[in-house]
Amino acid sequence: GAGVSQSPRYKVAKRGQDVALRCDPISGHVSLFWYQQALGQGPEFLTYFQNEAQLDKSGLPSDRFFAERPEGSVSTLKIQRTQQEDSAVYLCASSLRLSVSGNTIYFGEGSWLTVV
Amino acid sequence: QKEVEQNSGPLSVPEGAIASLNCTYSDRGSQSFFWYRQYSGKSPELIMSIYSNGDKEDGRFTAQLNKASQYVSLLIRDSQPSDSATYLCAVPLNSGGSNYKLTFGKGTLLTVNP
Repeated sequence: GAGVSQSPRYKVAKRGQDVALRCDPISGHVSLFWYQQALGQGPEFLTYFQNEAQLDKSGLPSDRFFAERPEGSVSTLKIQRTQQEDSAVYLCASSLRLSVSGNTIYFGEGSWLTVV
Repeated sequence: QKEVEQNSGPLSVPEGAIASLNCTYSDRGSQSFFWYRQYSGKSPELIMSIYSNGDKEDGRFTAQLNKASQYVSLLIRDSQPSDSATYLCAVPLNSGGSNYKLTFGKGTLLTVNP
């Protein structure tokens, strides 16, 4: 497709359940980002990949969060033992190059996670 | 102090008026500044980027940057109901020379009334 594709769009998980969120970036985009957006807040950085290398995971809130991009294309964000505070929209974004300067970052529609 | 601050609003303007959205940032070393528009339930969409002091115009949108005051604004002229959305200010953190990690403000909710 032409844009960043995320699945599932909506996920309801019981507390303690593991979830996996998938991101299919724009073809050829080197950089891939995951952001978390709570209701009424701006997106918060989680992690960044350049091709298959995870260069920055400083925003992951806990060791229950894990992201991978094994072949430098599709990425998966996994959340183990989900908690209610994990309820948020998880946005994936991709861009052609590393730096944001002069480089448009394209966001997917997001995966809406509700933990009950 | 949050690194990127915006008035959360809501900001309500009549159709045809000028909407003014403001953003301040804490990192003096920041060089790039972005405005995203986010419709309810949708993904953020880049509408303006600005790198130099002064004004940058694109259609009905004008971004204004004042690095000395650490202030960036977005003006929307001839506001339309379709401009009703949350506007997010974003600035990349200046950490160790990296220039990829966008820090977003909370966003300002704009409503344009017909």
